[in-house]
Amino acid sequence: SYELTQPPSVSVSPGQTASITCSGDKLGDKYASWYRQKPGQSPVLVIYQDTKRPSGIPERFSGSNSGKTATLTISGTQAMDEADYYCQAWDSKVFGGGTKLTVL
Amino acid sequence: EVQLVESGGGLVQPGGSLRLSCAASGFTVSSNWMSWVRQAPGEGLAWVANIKPDGSEKYYVDSVKGRFTLSRDNAKNSLYLQMNSLRAEDTAVYYCVREKTSGGGMDVWGQGTTVTVSS
Repeated sequence: SYELTQPPSVSVSPGQTASITCSGDKLGDKYASWYRQKPGQSPVLVIYQDTKRPSGIPERFSGSNSGKTATLTISGTQAMDEADYYCQAWDSKVFGGGTKLTVL
Repeated sequence: EVQLVESGGGLVQPGGSLRLSCAASGFTVSSNWMSWVRQAPGEGLAWVANIKPDGSEKYYVDSVKGRFTLSRDNAKNSLYLQMNSLRAEDTAVYYCVREKTSGGGMDVWGQGTTVTVSS
């Protein structure tokens, strides 16, 4: 079965850029999506079709996908961005294991 | 307002059954692919099953094939997940989810309903 690998944790200082990676075999040939989940809340879609932002998602969220790796980038990271982030390969609907983003 | 509300979770013994319901408002469930996604305690997200807008195709993750059945009632604008032969590893929060009309993402999530399989 298809697998996606994410780093368990990423730390970033407020105002800096956070990058969260997601790796999988030929992931660049598939659409990748990203979700943010805060404690006790349902996930929220932040990036779909590799690079698109749903309405209501700030411009500081961006995505890329090439080769084996998809990347979620958060520019000017804010304390409110602290959450778990999950990638997903759209064709198989498989999720990555999640990355805990800490803003400190 | 576009919304999904799940119900039907609870405590069930191994080998038992539960039927989860998902009531949609603000859109029509028969217009979108609809999915169920689960999250075991302290774990990540896992896709469970989905159904095509016209209901002609349904897909399941291997671990639930033959045990879980997805159905839909267009008149009630609702989605259902019948879960049989439940196992301890099915313990999770189950989310009802709408897939974007254009594809590529799950854009509406319910609040989730908790299923606990334990003796």
